[in-house]
Amino acid sequence: GESVGLHLPTLSVQEGDNSIINCAYSNSASDYFIWYKQESGKGPQFIIDIRSNMDKRQGQRVTVLLNKTVKHLSLQIAATQPGDSAVYFCAENRYFNKFYFGSGTKLNVKP
Amino acid sequence: DGGITQSPKYLFRKEGQNVTLSCEQNLNHDAMYWYRQDPGQGLRLIYYSQIVNDFQKGDIAEGYSVSREKKESFPLTVTSAQKNPTAFYLCASSMAGGGETQYFGPGTRLLVL
Repeated sequence: GESVGLHLPTLSVQEGDNSIINCAYSNSASDYFIWYKQESGKGPQFIIDIRSNMDKRQGQRVTVLLNKTVKHLSLQIAATQPGDSAVYFCAENRYFNKFYFGSGTKLNVKP
Repeated sequence: DGGITQSPKYLFRKEGQNVTLSCEQNLNHDAMYWYRQDPGQGLRLIYYSQIVNDFQKGDIAEGYSVSREKKESFPLTVTSAQKNPTAFYLCASSMAGGGETQYFGPGTRLLVL
């Protein structure tokens, strides 16, 4: 989920398990969403995106699900690996090219 | 090797000093953006530019200035008017138009001496 403040929500998973990271967005008119991965001290890295005319999109080991009814987005990572440990956050395109970014969820993968 | 570069990686600012953060991209993107990231918070938009010689204020523009003289470059100046400049600064770029993916640089961490 999302959080404001210094402490991000943390999801701890065992290596090889599937991970699900959630994001709630606020603007029903938002039509484009992106998931980013950010490792400590680095810039965000694009993972996968989805437009509002879709419910699901799959990439390599990742799937994004969009539920417009409840304004909810989720990122599923299959067979989670130690290299997946990072902060994941969603971005919501609210207006033209202006995005609103969530504060993120920290994924901790235990070997 | 296409991408976005930011320099320096770390920058130290003294009281009353202006400092400039560099952002360069070779992706041929028309739009460029500057964001500020504070611990545990989402990215906040400082300035953005959709085309050369044009830019607009974002949500937290006070104490910052930018220029866009070349398509490839979008430098950000943190002025002495910005009283709390310590943060991680991220530059991004995208194709022109709405709903385009933004790609980020590696960031610059600004610290106050």
